[in-house]
Amino acid sequence: QKEVEQNSGPLSVPEGAIASLNCTYSDRGSQSFFWYRQYSGKSPELIMSIYSNGDKEDGRFTAQLNKASQYVSLLIRDSQPSDSATYLCALGGGGSNYKLTFGKGTLLTVNP
Amino acid sequence: NAGVTQTPKFQVLKTGQSMTLQCAQDMNHNSMYWYRQDPGMGLRLIYYSASEGTTDKGEVPNGYNVSRLNKREFSLRLESAAPSQTSVYFCASSDVGLNGYTFGSGTRLTVV
Repeated sequence: QKEVEQNSGPLSVPEGAIASLNCTYSDRGSQSFFWYRQYSGKSPELIMSIYSNGDKEDGRFTAQLNKASQYVSLLIRDSQPSDSATYLCALGGGGSNYKLTFGKGTLLTVNP
Repeated sequence: NAGVTQTPKFQVLKTGQSMTLQCAQDMNHNSMYWYRQDPGMGLRLIYYSASEGTTDKGEVPNGYNVSRLNKREFSLRLESAAPSQTSVYFCASSDVGLNGYTFGSGTRLTVV
């Protein structure tokens, strides 16, 4: 069974700082990696996807993937109080395997 | 631009009662999923449908049944509700496995 590990937090950072969220996984066959943001009482929202080793940037968000070390991370630059949420790491097997396996999430709090 | 629509948003059942959670998507996605989310447990897959006409068990299928009514609709049925099924239920859809999911807004179910 695939395992996706995240530090449950809470991770607390001051406004304007860089927040770093990490995720490790057990299945070397995983081919697709996602970060979801979930505000309290709301549904998960896809914010980043990454498929190849290296960095992928989108605005203030950077996803980093290292398949050899089996970890994926999310950096949030210039953190804002509106970034306060739970961040879920998810991975998929690719090909005909449509299912995603989710980590339990890391709670991020950005303090004004 | 509705995306994934779930009904109802809230429900309280008595132990032993039955109910069906409805899910519909308007994005022409092939695959649909039902997850439950519990504190400390993360998102766990109940059932999924890779394409119209097919359904498969996920990680926690006991006590549930599903129907893929057509390409748009995927329902989840609780035949005899138990307190252990108190949870938040999310429906999701995707076109292909590499593109991640779009989630519905969720159903908060309490079984007393």
